[in-house]
Amino acid sequence: DAGITQSPRHKVTETGTPVTLRCHQTENHRYMYWYRQDPGHGLRLIHYSYGVKDTDKGEVSDGYSVSRSKTEDFLLTLESATSSQTSVYFCAISATGEAWAEAFFGQGTRLTVV
Amino acid sequence: QQPVQSPQAVILREGEDAVINCSSSKALYSVHWYRQKHGEAPVFLMILLKGGEQKGHEKISASFNEKKQQSSLYLTASQLSYSGTYFCGTETNNYGQNFVFGPGTRLSVLP
Repeated sequence: DAGITQSPRHKVTETGTPVTLRCHQTENHRYMYWYRQDPGHGLRLIHYSYGVKDTDKGEVSDGYSVSRSKTEDFLLTLESATSSQTSVYFCAISATGEAWAEAFFGQGTRLTVV
Repeated sequence: QQPVQSPQAVILREGEDAVINCSSSKALYSVHWYRQKHGEAPVFLMILLKGGEQKGHEKISASFNEKKQQSSLYLTASQLSYSGTYFCGTETNNYGQNFVFGPGTRLSVLP
């Protein structure tokens, strides 16, 4: 299994509070991704990173920010959590960003905003 | 733009075959297939590239029709372990950053 760990695995937070999710990899892969998964929508890309301090937005980036200060860590921050951000969040890594590259996913973080 | 998957759900008996389809309105460069079991992370199955060959993995294989912008995943002689949600993901070029997952097809294999 690819060495990718997400923390926390579960979190309940109140509306309006900031929340940070962490993704840690031991594979030294260049690309890291944050997805959210909601019923009927599949996996939707929030943000991705193609190197240290190099990040870009995905299709559902509003309300989220990311940071990558080290190759192994990719942080996702919800600036002010809303109920619409209740979801399961997955981090993924891949060796390259090219079309032939497979992605390895973490076990997910279930976030509930109340 | 998110690809379309069909059917949304399918129920099979062990040993039966199934086909899951993935289609896009845009010209595709690649199609990826993942399987996700309940409560677990998605797991990579295979990638099909434009101009490439049909891929196979044991009793799971897939095809990619570039002209129709669609891919089909074939599950032969289904096993209980095949149960889960199957996602296709598509790219329209080789640069990687336009990858989009479909909504998924839930497959249930019964004894």
